Amino acid sequence: DIQMTQSPSSLSASVGDRVTITCRASQGISTWLAWYQQKPEKAPKALIYAASSVQSGVPSRFSGSGSGTDFTLTISSLQPEDFATYYCQQYNSHPLTFGGGTKVEIK
Amino acid sequence: QVQLQESGPGLVKPSETLSLTCTVSGGSISSYYWNWIRQPPGKGLEWIGNIYYRGNTNYNPSLKSRVTISLDTSKNQFSLKLSSVTAADTAVYYCARGEWHFDLWGRGTLVTVSS
Repeated sequence: DIQMTQSPSSLSASVGDRVTITCRASQGISTWLAWYQQKPEKAPKALIYAASSVQSGVPSRFSGSGSGTDFTLTISSLQPEDFATYYCQQYNSHPLTFGGGTKVEIK
Repeated sequence: QVQLQESGPGLVKPSETLSLTCTVSGGSISSYYWNWIRQPPGKGLEWIGNIYYRGNTNYNPSLKSRVTISLDTSKNQFSLKLSSVTAADTAVYYCARGEWHFDLWGRGTLVTVSS
């Protein structure tokens, strides 16, 4: 199985901050990576696929980059509704696997 | 718009079989891959497996011996059966759409394994 490691596991930030979350794959996955946002007691919401393609309806402040083993999710200017947990997911091969999550909290 | 809704018992006894159904509304199940994903309380996400509308399935090897995913196109539903459950199977179970990544999710349903 491909292991996905996210860092940090949590962070504190203020509204307006630029936030970067990192995801590392245990082996190369090209750009077969997706990002999700999950708020408490809610289902995950798709943000990014193919490492950098933004899902329809997702605000432009969200962006993704990377290829191979190292990927980043960036929120250019953190908004109050962005406080949530973020997960990466690889789809290079089965079984599909997720990172452990990064919780973005209010400073 | 297309919506997914999970349904099934919220409590299952140890060693029994967990059975859940996902109903697809606002669109046809006869395209796309359909997935089950779970999340133990306070933990991360685990992909269980998926099914294509033609019946092809893929399962997570860690659960494969206990999992069956099936589909009923006449009801626009797909289902999960997980046998021989233990407390470790306690989780919120989500259904989701997508072959490789998931663009649409159900709200999830909590299943607790307890006697």
